[in-house]
Amino acid sequence: DQQVKQNSPSLSVQEGRISILNCDYTNSMFDYFLWYKKYPAEGPTFLISISSIKDKNEDGRFTVFLNKSAKHLSLHIVPSQPGDSAVYFCAARTLNTDKLIFGTGTRLQVFP
Amino acid sequence: GAVVSQHPSWVICKSGTSVKIECRSLDFQATTMFWYRQFPKQSLMLMATSNEGSKATYEQGVEKDKFLINHASLTLSTLTVTSAHPEDSSFYICSAQGGGSIMPQHFGDGTRLSIL
Repeated sequence: DQQVKQNSPSLSVQEGRISILNCDYTNSMFDYFLWYKKYPAEGPTFLISISSIKDKNEDGRFTVFLNKSAKHLSLHIVPSQPGDSAVYFCAARTLNTDKLIFGTGTRLQVFP
Repeated sequence: GAVVSQHPSWVICKSGTSVKIECRSLDFQATTMFWYRQFPKQSLMLMATSNEGSKATYEQGVEKDKFLINHASLTLSTLTVTSAHPEDSSFYICSAQGGGSIMPQHFGDGTRLSIL
């Protein structure tokens, strides 16, 4: 049972344009969501998070949007840069637990 | 800040060998550490959660006698894969989390384990 889904395995975006990565979840008890970026043979790097009491959180070029009614969140990267090319994982956590449930990842490629 | 060091980064060993992987939080105290396993082109699967000074909590299907976890201090956790076999070959990643419920997990760079 995949509670956190990233339906797009890959995304290709031109440098300077917006990258939008999507994530859907099924468990309504999730209350905290995170995005991680991962390069090959490295551990994930934390990017940005959002609590379920918010619908938007912004940090520089990264913005995460949360739509609780649709059980959907997205990560916007603008402007996209070649260095953003990596695999992006969304993750979710329920209240009172530290356990993260990860999606399957989306490979983003930003080309010049 | 929030640096997690994992060592070794790559291990190749014979079947039947036990392998120890270390995970250290370098600039913060990790009240909780996590061990994940990632198969090629798949997501990170949580193996176990450990809190300093207490026994680890293993996820369903993970053999606790096979994957020994020790969390002796607030900055160090170890995972020992005992009597490793080729099917244990995988990418193992640890993460550490400081105090507070809304704190992200910070990950090490992972250990590529190859059992011949």
